[in-house]
Amino acid sequence: DIPMTQSPSSLSASVGDRVTITCRASQSISTYLNWYQQKAGKAPKLLIYHASDLQSGVPSRFSGSGSGTDFTLTISSLQPEDFATYYCQQSYSTPYTFGQGTKLDIK
Amino acid sequence: QVQLAESGGGVVQPGRSLRLSCAASGFTFSSYAMHWVRQAPGKGLEWLAVIWYDGSNKYYGDSVKGRFTISRDNSKNMLYVQMSSLRAEDTAVYYCARDRVGVKSNGFDNWGQGTLVTVSS
Repeated sequence: DIPMTQSPSSLSASVGDRVTITCRASQSISTYLNWYQQKAGKAPKLLIYHASDLQSGVPSRFSGSGSGTDFTLTISSLQPEDFATYYCQQSYSTPYTFGQGTKLDIK
Repeated sequence: QVQLAESGGGVVQPGRSLRLSCAASGFTFSSYAMHWVRQAPGKGLEWLAVIWYDGSNKYYGDSVKGRFTISRDNSKNMLYVQMSSLRAEDTAVYYCARDRVGVKSNGFDNWGQGTLVTVSS
């Protein structure tokens, strides 16, 4: 198994802020890293796949980077609808493990 | 548009079995790998199982290996998970999700709304 560790676990920020969430894999996963956004009571939504590819329909203020073991999700200018929980997930090998999540709330 | 709709959730006693279904529409179901993912109340996401586009390969998470069986019927655009020997810790919302590809994985680009399974006596 490949444990995924996100940091921070929670984050308070303001509209307009630039926010970065990090994800670390316990071993190299190349660029097989995905990011999801989940709002309360809703299904997750794919934001970024293959570490840096923006999913269709996702605003360009979201971006991803990294390879190997260290990855980041950046939101360039927070919008009110971005307050949610974010998860990373590796798709390098089964089981396709998720990070524990980062809850982003309003400061 | 792509739609995934889970059904079959409910309250079940420990040790019993339950089958969840996921009805797919709006895309060529037989071209995509499909997954089950769950989320216990107030907790994070847990990947459970994947089945490749043609059903040729299936893989499971450690917590459900040997108890859960994923399957699909491409003629009916249906995904299933048969869950047996259910435990209290299996209580969760269960989601089906479509992969971006047909084999292995490259991100889950469409999700159902989820179905709640509660394991309790």
